[in-house]
Amino acid sequence: GEDVEQSLFLSVREGDSSVINCTYTDSSSTYLYWYKQEPGAGLQLLTYIFSNMDMKQDQRLTVLLNKKDKHLSLRIADTQTGDSAIYFCAEKGGGYQKVTFGTGTKLQVIP
Amino acid sequence: GAVVSQHPSRVICKSGTSVKIECRSLDFQATTMFWYRQFPKQSLMLMATSNEGSKATYEQGVEKDKFLINHASLTLSTLTVTSAHPEDSSFYICSAQDSSGNTIYFGEGSWLTVV
Repeated sequence: GEDVEQSLFLSVREGDSSVINCTYTDSSSTYLYWYKQEPGAGLQLLTYIFSNMDMKQDQRLTVLLNKKDKHLSLRIADTQTGDSAIYFCAEKGGGYQKVTFGTGTKLQVIP
Repeated sequence: GAVVSQHPSRVICKSGTSVKIECRSLDFQATTMFWYRQFPKQSLMLMATSNEGSKATYEQGVEKDKFLINHASLTLSTLTVTSAHPEDSSFYICSAQDSSGNTIYFGEGSWLTVV
């Protein structure tokens, strides 16, 4: 079955850039997502990228996709304490297919 | 952006009773909604896919008679945990896909505690 892997923990200093990495196994993945989950809350969609794209930038967020290596990354520029949360990457095929989530990366921002 | 609302956000029920959680898409129609369960410090586990007007599709290992899903309209899906036990205590999250099938929005989640 599909598998999505992430490192469990990342710690950065406020103002630095954060890079959260994700690898997946499904070569038919069409959409790849990044979600943010704060303690006790649901998931907030941050951004998504189509598999035919290499990069997508949205304000402080930059998503890079290496489809050959099945590697997805999320870069957060000028990381703030409010960015502390768990970040999930997820993938799915086209249409109404189920989404497979990664294990989540807990980002800790040190003031 | 699109909004998905879940209710209640927190519920405590007695062991043996049933509890219903609602998931609504507020500004778009969702023919497909998904129900997830999340254990502490873990990722989301897909429980079932809810299809408007038809039976839900359950993931392997999920008891369909225990976790009843009804998707009666294009904006509402419900999850009923029947004969709840303390081990059913968890964080339940729903999601809905927009009409393009590309974008998935999540509800705020519902904390269920069975005592």
